[in-house]
Amino acid sequence: TQLLEQSPQFLSIQEGENLTVYCNSSSVFSSLQWYRQEPGEGPVLLVTVVTGGEVKKLKRLTFQFGDARKDSSLHITAAQPGDTGLYLCAVLRNTGTASKLTFGTGTRLQVTL
Amino acid sequence: NAGVMQNPRHLVRRRGQEARLRCSPMKGHSHVYWYRQLPEEGLKFMVYLQKENIIDESGMPKERFSAEFPKEGPSILRIQQVVRGDSAAYFCASSPGTNGGYTFGSGTRLTVV
Repeated sequence: TQLLEQSPQFLSIQEGENLTVYCNSSSVFSSLQWYRQEPGEGPVLLVTVVTGGEVKKLKRLTFQFGDARKDSSLHITAAQPGDTGLYLCAVLRNTGTASKLTFGTGTRLQVTL
Repeated sequence: NAGVMQNPRHLVRRRGQEARLRCSPMKGHSHVYWYRQLPEEGLKFMVYLQKENIIDESGMPKERFSAEFPKEGPSILRIQQVVRGDSAAYFCASSPGTNGGYTFGSGTRLTVV
């Protein structure tokens, strides 16, 4: 079983539409990160949320951390073709010897003209 | 200030050959992480290294795979006797400490023919 389940898995929308993608878990986290990965590139950090209920905005992107710190959502307003990519949520997990970043299953977004 | 540098960007190997993937972390970063990404999937943790030490290799296959981060020079992920199932994108990330702040490279795309 995956620690972080993301939905939907794939999303194809037209320019100008709004969308929301979700990252869910049964575990509680001290913080959660969102990354975007464009084709042929590595993931790039978009935001880190740390407080239950926290909302952060990055231009047309709105990130929310669930009150119980088990889930998060990413809402994009008026999507543009440049938003196309793989959206990944991730958490730092402490495994005793070290902390390491664990990624969700990803949502692949395609925005067409 | 160069980011995380990975080379080569693309690597083609025949079954049974060895693949060597290199990663130079960001300046000032002493923590290196390797991830593997299969087509249409998220990133899976492989190994976490600090200079001259392997801290966590729980995600790395026990056979044929090895990693090092010598005192001088880049981190190396080595895959011996490659098989078709090793075809994937391999990403390296570095961080200044253990509390996140990961920066990813652009990856090495390994194709085994």
